[in-house]
Amino acid sequence: SQQGEEDPQALSIQEGENATMNCSYKTSINNLQWYRQNSGRGLVHLILIRSNEREKHSGRLRVTLDTSKKSSSLLITASRAADTASYFCATDRMGDMRFGAGTRLTVKP
Amino acid sequence: DADVTQTPRNRITKTGKRIMLECSQTKGHDRMYWYRQDPGLGLRLIYYSFDVKDINKGEISDGYSVSRQAQAKFSLSLESAIPNQTALYFCATSDYRTSAYNEQFFGPGTRLTVL
Repeated sequence: SQQGEEDPQALSIQEGENATMNCSYKTSINNLQWYRQNSGRGLVHLILIRSNEREKHSGRLRVTLDTSKKSSSLLITASRAADTASYFCATDRMGDMRFGAGTRLTVKP
Repeated sequence: DADVTQTPRNRITKTGKRIMLECSQTKGHDRMYWYRQDPGLGLRLIYYSFDVKDINKGEISDGYSVSRQAQAKFSLSLESAIPNQTALYFCATSDYRTSAYNEQFFGPGTRLTVL
């Protein structure tokens, strides 16, 4: 079964609002990563957080990791229409990568 | 990512046929991965390779085999294709040797339809 599960499955917001996506996983991990996918194209890496980190920032992205709860969140601030895409979390355990089913984000202009 | 290429990009085949999907990379990365994605779902790992002599089964390896012909090439074979193998297949690479992380760089995907 898939390691990560994202919540919500779909999210629709207005441009300028913040978007928060959550990910839960089942086993111990080395790191957790977030990816973006546009319309069936290849995924693009956004940000990685190591298992000993609790929070990380990259531009408008903020990721948190709670290993005690086996959960992570991705916050996109000041969203833009161009942020419309599917977002996936992925766990890395000794090189074995497991992806969740994704959150479909729609940002309305 | 143009540094990771997949051929063919689209393929329609019939049940029972053997088919090979190929992946090449010019990034010099040591690790290579094969995933499949079904509509509305995330990616599932089929096989992954840490180097030419190190190949590992992923979550859904049954019905598939792989070959790492060189550091830059990783092929996925469907021995006898069946309709439920219809999916979008992605190859990915990572530079673990340098970065010690598995940040994945994806190819454009191969859309496979098994009739």
